[in-house]
Amino acid sequence: DAGVTQSPTHLIKTRGQHVTLRCSPISGHKSVSWYQQVLGQGPQFIFQYYEKEERGRGNFPDRFSARQFPNYSSELNVNALLLGDSALYLCASSSIANYNSPLHFGNGTRLTVT
Amino acid sequence: SQELEQSPQSLIVQEGKNLTINCTSSKTLYGLYWYKQKYGEGLIFLMMLQKGGEEKSHEKITAKLDEKKQQSSLHITASQPSHAGIYLCGADIGTSYGKLTFGQGTILTVHP
Repeated sequence: DAGVTQSPTHLIKTRGQHVTLRCSPISGHKSVSWYQQVLGQGPQFIFQYYEKEERGRGNFPDRFSARQFPNYSSELNVNALLLGDSALYLCASSSIANYNSPLHFGNGTRLTVT
Repeated sequence: SQELEQSPQSLIVQEGKNLTINCTSSKTLYGLYWYKQKYGEGLIFLMMLQKGGEEKSHEKITAKLDEKKQQSSLHITASQPSHAGIYLCGADIGTSYGKLTFGQGTILTVHP
């Protein structure tokens, strides 16, 4: 079975632009989470979606938004990009929404903002 | 300060040596996960621990969650170059629904 897939793998944007990152969960998984990982640090929680509804949100500005589609895939949108948004963005899926089900991560999208 | 502290931050060992990585929280860990990450890539799930005193093993890697559920350790026996990478602990510490809090990671280098 395919794991979590993310696209694109790499992206270069200019300050002020907008970006959309995409994620397809493991088949049968209904929960998708997004994390931001800055170089040298652990991933930071951005959002969790379960059954197309936002179930959790981390400490990120409103420039960050996400949604989940009926097929459980998800998009992460970031507006008005800042240099500090440069990071590896990780998507993870799980079968249920709580901590009883481990997260399975994709390989991430490397975003560089210049 | 970090909500989850990992130690050491980096570790260099000779192939065949045993090693331990620790993950400590000031809050109760409701679910504790260990992941491995190759530089710039995604996280690979290793093990999940939920009950105080629980211990799990996979191949040469053993993880434990202490009785008070505030500390976990990851032990690798007879390390191999294939064990090299970044080890991350992640946990639900009850701060936000669906959120995993991660430690800063431990960089493991294994010299042949």
